[in-house]
Amino acid sequence: QSALTQPHSVSGSPGQSVTISCIGTSRDVGGFNSVSWYQQHPAKVPKVMIYDVSKRPSGVPDRFSGSKSGNTASLTISGLQAEDEADYYCCSYAGSYTLIFGGGTKLTVL
Amino acid sequence: DVQLVESGGGVVRPGEFLRLSCAASGFTIDDYGMGWVRQAPGKGLQWVSGINWNGGSRGYADSVKGRFTISRDNAKRYLYLQMNSLRAEDTALYHCARGLRVVPHAIAPPDAFDLWGQGTVVTVSS
Repeated sequence: QSALTQPHSVSGSPGQSVTISCIGTSRDVGGFNSVSWYQQHPAKVPKVMIYDVSKRPSGVPDRFSGSKSGNTASLTISGLQAEDEADYYCCSYAGSYTLIFGGGTKLTVL
Repeated sequence: DVQLVESGGGVVRPGEFLRLSCAASGFTIDDYGMGWVRQAPGKGLQWVSGINWNGGSRGYADSVKGRFTISRDNAKRYLYLQMNSLRAEDTALYHCARGLRVVPHAIAPPDAFDLWGQGTVVTVSS
């Protein structure tokens, strides 16, 4: 069970769009439509932003969107806002009732 | 209030054990799968274990399989994590988390979480 691969950091200016990738394998990301994304501000608990690859829970702005192609999932944040600055983690089902997280990506809003 | 409150963390030596508890309130715990996710100091999230609504299905990360046991008591509204043979690398903040979906009698543990507790700190050090 190796962690899913995410870029260590990404950045963007307010109003711009950024995309965070999450690279797995056919045994996790590529094998199931069960990818979720979490936002975590410093010293706060994680908040789910996307589940089932592209679904948004109630209350999550539609600026946040998710997608998947092959073994790579992506989180796109459009119309960047200062409050989007946080750490983002992807998570995928990996079979046999197990989950695996990505290493996390620090988003900086310039 | 809808919330999860963890307890049971502490400082232990390698090889010792701890039992974490998670008290659920404000919702019907029977309708949800639950899980434990940990975060080592300055590190990322790591899924530890998950359990379905009645304990009939459980999953564990390879790093804890055979040492940790997840369980639940729906009548008492509690989730537990029994941690044996603790190692230095188990040092982390342990969060209890509720499955995102309301699926009564779901077979599988949750694959996403919508409610998280603040966590309880486990430190394993000689």
